Amino acid sequence: QVQVVESGGGLVKPGGSLRLSCAASGFIFSDYYMNWIRQAPGKGPEWISYIDSSSSYTNYADSVKGRFTISRDNAKNSLFLQMNSLRAEDTAVYYCSRAFFYDSRTLGYWGQGTLVTVSS
Amino acid sequence: QSALTQPPSASGSPGQSVTISCSGTSSDVGGYKYVSWYQQHPGKAPKLMIYEVSKRPAGVPDRFSGSKSGYTASLTVSGLRAEDEAEYYCSSYAGSNNWVFGGGTKLAVL
Repeated sequence: QVQVVESGGGLVKPGGSLRLSCAASGFIFSDYYMNWIRQAPGKGPEWISYIDSSSSYTNYADSVKGRFTISRDNAKNSLFLQMNSLRAEDTAVYYCSRAFFYDSRTLGYWGQGTLVTVSS
Repeated sequence: QSALTQPPSASGSPGQSVTISCSGTSSDVGGYKYVSWYQQHPGKAPKLMIYEVSKRPAGVPDRFSGSKSGYTASLTVSGLRAEDEAEYYCSSYAGSNNWVFGGGTKLAVL
């Protein structure tokens, strides 16, 4: 079955960096675009980044543009999010997400999330 | 992209029906068929309940239904059950590989 598992979260000081990973299984990873979505405490989810299946195209929400970088390794079925210049408002649970089915624009499969806390 | 607008709370008694609205713009809800609804229980990841406005993934009870009119989408939960008490979020594709979410509606089963 489709499974995505995030890791790499933790406590980091403002201005610091963190790299999140997402391990995918149960599907042909290289066929699907992937996304990162985050959810701050008590708030709704916020889409933050997209990468197409071949890493040819990426997109970012304005809130993270220039600070976060999405990437993937299709040989290792893995998705990454490099987060630099972290701010308190980046504190959230970060989810990796796959389309519900091929070429769908529904964010159908989510992992369990990894918590990032930015605090001094 | 601005977030979609949802009422902060909704409630109903067991067996009743409740409808949750989600308002957007021509750039998201009004412009695409890719409106989704998610259910989230405390401490858990969001779970897809409705996709493409009105379709249900396998395993989602037919008590859950979705619709859209203009720039507003709606989720209706019929025959309310205690386990339906959760936070519900709408989402829409917004073009150019962007997505927007609503702020959430806390559904209470009284």
